Amino acid sequence: GAGVSQSPRYKVAKRGQDVALRCDPISGHVSLFWYQQALGQGPEFLTYFQNEAQLDKSGLPSDRFFAERPEGSVSTLKIQRTQQEDSAVYLCASSPPMPDTQYFGPGTRLTVL
Amino acid sequence: AQTVTQSQPEMSVQEAETVTLSCTYDTSESDYYLFWYKQPPSRQMILVIRQEAYKQQNATENRFSVNFQKAAKSFSLKISDSQLGDAAMYFCAYLAGKLIFGQGTELSVKP
Repeated sequence: GAGVSQSPRYKVAKRGQDVALRCDPISGHVSLFWYQQALGQGPEFLTYFQNEAQLDKSGLPSDRFFAERPEGSVSTLKIQRTQQEDSAVYLCASSPPMPDTQYFGPGTRLTVL
Repeated sequence: AQTVTQSQPEMSVQEAETVTLSCTYDTSESDYYLFWYKQPPSRQMILVIRQEAYKQQNATENRFSVNFQKAAKSFSLKISDSQLGDAAMYFCAYLAGKLIFGQGTELSVKP
């Protein structure tokens, strides 16, 4: 079956712009995660959804970061007023009910100029 | 808090040889999951192998196997008969609801 998909794959934004990153999880996966991966580092947790409920947003670095999953399927990570330090790869992962293996999408590489 | 440590930033192996990547972790839990993921230059994070802590038997997947030492909190990955396509960044990860990743080991394979 289809894996996790993310769009866009690449995004260049000017500092101060808002961006929206989309994640389509594997069909039937109730859990969805967002991670941020800086260059040369391991991914770091941002937020977690179970169906449409955002159960953990402890990793969001500032109130400029916002995520939603209104119908319990597709999720959007929004970053307002982007800063250069937001430049990273944003990875989305989905899994069956926890605890279980997380399957990752190809990521969105965000570059803020 | 749980932590994951990969002490080898880079490793190199000759094609067809065997290499072992190290990982240690810290947790107070008794039941948990551990993973190795592979990340090639495309940045797609690919599952290599998974281990449930309650299982004493080490997980294996074709040429990939783990040495899981629960008491020592050690979880190393062995790659046998290394192939050029194995070259990638390898991450060890602990599942605590969210995944907690190590810093990664970059593996190069020499022909």
